[in-house]
Amino acid sequence: DGGITQSPKYLFRKEGQNVTLSCEQNLNHDAMYWYRQDPGQGLRLIYYSQIVNDFQKGDIAEGYSVSREKKESFPLTVTSAQKNPTAFYLCASRNFRGADPNEQFFGPGTRLTVL
Amino acid sequence: QQQVKQSPQSLIVQKGGIPIINCAYENTAFDYFPWYQQFPGKGPALLIAIRPDVSEKKEGRFTISFNKSAKQFSLHIMDSQPGDSATYFCAASSSSNYKLTFGKGTLLTVNP
Repeated sequence: DGGITQSPKYLFRKEGQNVTLSCEQNLNHDAMYWYRQDPGQGLRLIYYSQIVNDFQKGDIAEGYSVSREKKESFPLTVTSAQKNPTAFYLCASRNFRGADPNEQFFGPGTRLTVL
Repeated sequence: QQQVKQSPQSLIVQKGGIPIINCAYENTAFDYFPWYQQFPGKGPALLIAIRPDVSEKKEGRFTISFNKSAKQFSLHIMDSQPGDSATYFCAASSSSNYKLTFGKGTLLTVNP
């Protein structure tokens, strides 16, 4: 059963703690992305990676970090430096050699609440 | 600077109606325009996408109309159903970097 999995579905953390969100894909897609969604704000790009061991900042990278040690995995760490971390986090992937290389496919999301 | 502007923010129609959601973009380098559908608590799902070399694309009850000179595109949902109630996002990207820029979304409610 192929797809993108994100875990956990819900995450609660105390203010000041770092937290890592998991994103795994078994689609053999090349690029992976992290977005943040807030009510009424659409999706905003945090980080993306087009190849293993390489990643680039998106539009709102401050307070976040990522790694891409394996093609199928792209974890996101929300650090204590992120001023307003409570949000819905979405991971996506893209296949360079797909029917349309622009297509991005999304995981089910992780809702992070910082208390 | 918001590069993709989406309207309206919310829309209510009766079953069988034809909701229309509009988007406008600024960056002329954009050459891929997808629409995503999102149900509460779920990730967005790709619905339909268009390239600027065509003015209209239809898939089932969903149609994209594209106006390159006006830098606008819209989603039409024919014979809308209560199950179509969701948030719809337009987006745009350029084949130079494949980074999607999203509109802020439209919450569609289809009443029975």
